[in-house]
Amino acid sequence: EADIYQTPRYLVIGTGKKITLECSQTMGHDKMYWYQQDPGMELHLIHYSYGVNSTEKGDLSSESTVSRIRTEHFPLTLESARPSHTSQYLCASSPSGGSSDTQYFGPGTRLTVL
Amino acid sequence: GQQVMQIPQYQHVQEGEDFTTYCNSSTTLSNIQWYKQRPGGHPVFLIQLVKSGEVKKQKRLTFQFGEAKKNSSLHITATQTTDVGTYFCARGGSNYKLTFGKGTLLTVNP
Repeated sequence: EADIYQTPRYLVIGTGKKITLECSQTMGHDKMYWYQQDPGMELHLIHYSYGVNSTEKGDLSSESTVSRIRTEHFPLTLESARPSHTSQYLCASSPSGGSSDTQYFGPGTRLTVL
Repeated sequence: GQQVMQIPQYQHVQEGEDFTTYCNSSTTLSNIQWYKQRPGGHPVFLIQLVKSGEVKKQKRLTFQFGEAKKNSSLHITATQTTDVGTYFCARGGSNYKLTFGKGTLLTVNP
């Protein structure tokens, strides 16, 4: 198993609150990703980063934002949570170099917005 | 991004039966990866296939990459209850992003 961590694991919060989902990896991977996944459904890429100070929007539009100030840390922020943001958020990282783009996933954060 | 179609969406088997899920693309794949996600868990990398016609085995799991590199399959021999979960294929790209299929949910009746 890869060393990638997400906190909190579960979060129940009221509408309008600002939240930050934490993701950290200790493998020195340059590439990191955020996915949104509803229960039993496919994974949707919402943000990715190729390294420090690099962030890009993914294939699914999201109101969240991300930052990458340190290699190991890739937090995701929602300025004003809404019930439509209720979902599971999965963070992943991928090693640099070579031809492999294998991704290692964290345990996820299950977000419920009331 | 370019999609990968995965079938079937669901498969229910009796323990001991075989299981196969298929992943298809309309365009040539540079590589294909397979992941398994247990219920309530997160995706876990199983394998990557790169070469045309490649076949790889992991115990009861057999992974194949088509000759034209447009399709792939995962076959499980003699399923066990521990095989329960959703199996995703994902196409790799030159930009280090993966495009995941919608997954096949496997349930196993003991």
